[in-house]
Amino acid sequence: GAVVSQHPSWVICKSGTSVKIECRSLDFQATTMFWYRQFPKQSLMLMATSNEGSKATYEQGVEKDKFLINHASLTLSTLTVTSAHPEDSSFYICSARAGANQPQHFGDGTRLSIL
Amino acid sequence: QKEVEQNSGPLSVPEGAIASLNCTYSDRGSQSFFWYRQYSGKSPELIMSIYSNGDKEDGRFTAQLNKASQYVSLLIRDSQPSDSATYLCAVNGGGADGLTFGKGTHLIIQP
Repeated sequence: GAVVSQHPSWVICKSGTSVKIECRSLDFQATTMFWYRQFPKQSLMLMATSNEGSKATYEQGVEKDKFLINHASLTLSTLTVTSAHPEDSSFYICSARAGANQPQHFGDGTRLSIL
Repeated sequence: QKEVEQNSGPLSVPEGAIASLNCTYSDRGSQSFFWYRQYSGKSPELIMSIYSNGDKEDGRFTAQLNKASQYVSLLIRDSQPSDSATYLCAVNGGGADGLTFGKGTHLIIQP
C-alpha cells in the first residue's frame, strides 16, 4: 500500500520551456502533498507544501510564479516549472501523506535537464 | 527553527555486523519519527516509523526512540551490501507541517 506515482521520470528540454510534473497517490487519499528538489550529493530541499483545494505554501526563496503548484484533488498534485533555465536542472521529488503524523510516501522523482 | 542532526558519515560497517545510525532533534514537541533509505539517484523509501518511547522491530531493522533525550536511532542487524545507502532521519511536529529531514548518514557495508 501507500504508493505514490510521479510522472515523467526524465525530462530533457530547451531553455524557456515550461515543464509539468504530476504526482498521484494511487491507493490512498493525500490531504497534503510536498514538493522537494535535490541537487547531486545534497539533502532534500522542501520547495512547497500543498493541501487539496488550497493555495500551496512555498518555502523561503522559492519563487511561486516560477514553480506553479496545483492540488486539485485528494490524489493529484502538479508542479509546473515555468520558463525553465539550466539552473532549474535538478531531481524533483513529490511526497504525499494521508494525514498529520502519518509518514510521507515518496514518488520515484523526476530528473529535469534543461539545455 | 526545527532541526534534525545526523552524522553525515560515511559510516563503514563489515557485512554481517550491526549498523547503528543516530539522530537528534531540537523540537521537544515532535510526535512522530521516521527513517528513510535513499539509494544514489533514487527517491527516499520509508523503512521504519516510531511514535512512542522504546524499541520497534521490523525484520532486521530496529528503531529506538528516547523523547527525553530527543534521540532516535536505527539499528540494522546482519548488515548486507544492499543496505549501503544514505539513511535519512525525519521528524514530524504534528499539524500541517511536513517532515523535517536530517542531512542523512551515508552507510557503506563492506563485503
